[in-house]
Amino acid sequence: DAKTTQPPSMDCAEGRAANLPCNHSTISGNEYVYWYRQIHSQGPQYIIHGLKNNETNEMASLIITEDRKSSTLILPHATLRDTAVYYCIVRVVYSGGSNYKLTFGKGTLLTVNP
Amino acid sequence: DGGITQSPKYLFRKEGQNVTLSCEQNLNHDAMYWYRQDPGQGLRLIYYSQIVNDFQKGDIAEGYSVSREKKESFPLTVTSAQKNPTAFYLCASSSQGAGNQPQHFGDGTRLSIL
Repeated sequence: DAKTTQPPSMDCAEGRAANLPCNHSTISGNEYVYWYRQIHSQGPQYIIHGLKNNETNEMASLIITEDRKSSTLILPHATLRDTAVYYCIVRVVYSGGSNYKLTFGKGTLLTVNP
Repeated sequence: DGGITQSPKYLFRKEGQNVTLSCEQNLNHDAMYWYRQDPGQGLRLIYYSQIVNDFQKGDIAEGYSVSREKKESFPLTVTSAQKNPTAFYLCASSSQGAGNQPQHFGDGTRLSIL
């Protein structure tokens, strides 16, 4: 699986958009980008994933560059509850549908300030 | 509510004891996983199962054992052979579908050695 690079920490004001970048310059054509977050002492929470098109759900938007070498997770209106470590993961999906091993790096600690 | 239930939340083990961590899901997912997380580290895959009565070793299976007798359940036993068992253990599940389906996590069990 391709390696990802994320800033170790970011701050955001409550109510503003939080834009979390992720670099995955070695991504290959069959690798998806996944985002999770983990609040202290809880299990990781799935946020969103995508292959090459931008994606949006009730939690966030995922913007993937045209060359797929980087992506940005956008939390449109950050709240204090969004303070967490955010993980960007790139994972190959095999044609047979096998689904295993997420490799979590160190992620970005997002702190939302009042 | 559908989800993944891990129990207990906290577990203490004496030296030389085996302990079993419970993981139950009511999401009708085929695949289930066990990860270990150490302080400040990412997740490491212990075992995974893509179907009932079948499971495979992950990256750090030594000292651990699992069973998958029911689709809903994937218990993990930490044996006395695991020399450094103190960690945060996370169970996850996913549907197989097209293979890009995300893994969803429980809230974890924190194991400590007395």
